[in-house]
Amino acid sequence: QSALTQPASVSGSPGQSITISCTGTSSDVGYYNLVSWYQQQPGKAPKLIIYEVGNRPSGVSNRFSGSKSANTASLTISGLQAEDEADYYCTSYTRNSILIFGGGTKLTVL
Amino acid sequence: EVQLVQSGAEVKKPGESLKISCKASGYTFTTYWIGWVRQMPGKGLEWMGIIYPEDSDIRYSPSFRGQVTISVDKSITTAYLQWTGLKASDTAIYYCARHRGTGWYYDYWGQGTLVTVSS
Repeated sequence: QSALTQPASVSGSPGQSITISCTGTSSDVGYYNLVSWYQQQPGKAPKLIIYEVGNRPSGVSNRFSGSKSANTASLTISGLQAEDEADYYCTSYTRNSILIFGGGTKLTVL
Repeated sequence: EVQLVQSGAEVKKPGESLKISCKASGYTFTTYWIGWVRQMPGKGLEWMGIIYPEDSDIRYSPSFRGQVTISVDKSITTAYLQWTGLKASDTAIYYCARHRGTGWYYDYWGQGTLVTVSS
């Protein structure tokens, strides 16, 4: 099972919005609403920011939102802040009963 | 407060065995799956597998089946990841995380254990 496809990097200025895509197949992203997103700051453990496509855990800023269309999920960060600079990973459950990660996207806040 | 506290960094030689741990607290250990995730140096996250502490039901990623062993001791609310013949390519940070079964996501993570395999 191949990894989900994410852009290697994205960037934006403070206050702007950015979107990170996560492309899978009809056997994973397109089949289940079981996409989640994680933020990983340098040297830290990942942190859950979105689960089941568009749900935010308690305590996560509402500047983070998730969506899905067909085989592609998306993470949008609005009102970009310097503290958002991190690596972002998507995951999806698959019809092979395993979890797969995306390759990760490095977000740079200019 | 949910906490997952992992064992400390390890330096091993190729061919050696290793077992790292993940001590859970702050919730009912037996009712949540625990998962393991690998992060090789400078690379992304990889799903290794999960275990259900109540009955030790295990699901391995095909990429890791036969390469590692996942286990649990529910009497001390601790999950383990074990190797019997380490390779240099096992050098990585290993994270444990609480797995939300129905949603297939990880809501709490350990701090990570760095495993270095070098001759």
